Amino acid sequence: AQSVAQPEDQVNVAEGNPLTVKCTYSVSGNPYLFWYVQYPNRGLQFLLKYITGDNLVKGSYGFEAEFNKSQTSFHLKKPSALVSDSALYFCAVRDPLTGGGNKLTFGTGTQLKVEL
Amino acid sequence: DAGVIQSPRHEVTEMGQEVTLRCKPISGHNSLFWYRQTMMRGLELLIYFNNNVPIDDSGMPEDRFSAKMPNASFSTLKIQPSEPRDSAVYFCASSLSPGTGAYNEQFFGPGTRLTVL
Repeated sequence: AQSVAQPEDQVNVAEGNPLTVKCTYSVSGNPYLFWYVQYPNRGLQFLLKYITGDNLVKGSYGFEAEFNKSQTSFHLKKPSALVSDSALYFCAVRDPLTGGGNKLTFGTGTQLKVEL
Repeated sequence: DAGVIQSPRHEVTEMGQEVTLRCKPISGHNSLFWYRQTMMRGLELLIYFNNNVPIDDSGMPEDRFSAKMPNASFSTLKIQPSEPRDSAVYFCASSLSPGTGAYNEQFFGPGTRLTVL
C-alpha cells in the first residue's frame, strides 16, 4: 500500500528566509510524487510533480522539491518565503504498480505560516 | 475554462435529511474524484470514476453515501440520511487519464461546506 507522511503539522518561517516542508513516502515501486497548496476556503491547487528524470523539480510560485530515493523523501522548498505563501500544503503519492489508475494518497497537510 | 464547478458552496441541513452535492468537471477530463476534508481525518478520497465508471469506492464511509456519474460532465454525491458527523468540506476534482508512464494532475473545485445539525 502507498502512504505519505508529513511529520510537521505547522512550519513557521520569517519572510525572506528559506522554507522547507517535509514529506516522506512509502510505495512498492517508483513513486509519482506531488505537492498541492490550499488557501483558506479554497480547493487544492497543484504546485509541482515528480514522475521521472531530474531529482529537482521546479513548480509554481518559485517552489521546488527534491526527490531523494534513498531517503524516500520529497521535501518542498523555496529560497525566500513570502507572507502570501502562508497556506496548507499537501504532499501526495501515486504508486504506479498498484494499478490504481489516477488515485492519489494525500498526507495530512502542513500549515505554513510566514511572518514579517 | 471555468475549472471544476461545485454546487452548492454551502449547505446547512438537519439530521436525517437527504443531501445532494453536485460537480461539473473540466471539459475533456475523464477522471473524477470525490474527497472529504475534516480537521480530524484530513483529506479522504471517497470515490473516483474513470470514463463515468466507478473505479474505487473503498473510501465511501457507509451505505448512506452514494455517488453517480451519469455522463462525462456531471456527477453527484448523495448522503441519505445525513448525520452530524457528515459535516465536512466535500471536494470534487477532475483530471485526464494518464498515458503509460505519465500522470496528469488533479484539478480541484472550490468545495461544498456541509453542516448537518
